[in-house]
Amino acid sequence: AQSVTQLGSHVSVSEGALVLLRCNYSSSVPPYLFWYVQYPNQGLQLLLKYTTGATLVKGINGFEAEFKKSETSFHLTKPSAHMSDAAEYFCAVSEWNAGNMLTFGGGTRLMVKP
Amino acid sequence: EPEVTQTPSHQVTQMGQEVILRCVPISNHLYFYWYRQILGQKVEFLVSFYNNEISEKSEIFDDQFSVERPDGSNFTLKIRSTKLEDSAMYFCASREIAANTGELFFGEGSRLTVL
Repeated sequence: AQSVTQLGSHVSVSEGALVLLRCNYSSSVPPYLFWYVQYPNQGLQLLLKYTTGATLVKGINGFEAEFKKSETSFHLTKPSAHMSDAAEYFCAVSEWNAGNMLTFGGGTRLMVKP
Repeated sequence: EPEVTQTPSHQVTQMGQEVILRCVPISNHLYFYWYRQILGQKVEFLVSFYNNEISEKSEIFDDQFSVERPDGSNFTLKIRSTKLEDSAMYFCASREIAANTGELFFGEGSRLTVL
């Protein structure tokens, strides 16, 4: 069975500071990993995904994430936070043999201070 | 850009009433999903739908829930007799391809409040 843990339900950073949102997963088979973002009053939008190949994946809005199998992690980073990055971020996992289901983490609300 | 649209954006209902949440997936997509998010909790999978039938469902998706694709565009979630604990944000999603590496496109959600 697959599961996702996001450490820190709320993260606050200053504008221009590094953003680091943590995601750890458990999976019995090689996982597919996703980060989604939810802006206020909007749906979930895909930021980036890892399926196979290069373990460092780049997404939209300057975000990137690195798949580390040994640590079962897929942390999301951005070198310099912008006010517009304030949103809720969800990490999700899908297993190749688990059909269609995405399993989400609990979400991390990112706040950006001026 | 194509998008998944959901109606209503917010519905308030009395306990025991039937509710239908509507979704229009992206037109060339083949796989359809419902997820829900109870306030302050995780986004949870409810059901997936392909080729006019349910392909997977979670434990949450009990006999009170049903899904339907009544025509070529709409995809609906019906809750027969709502309970207080059904209050949540319900997200519809669709995917174009079979592989589960494919991106799910989510709608903006329908907030259901059961009184």
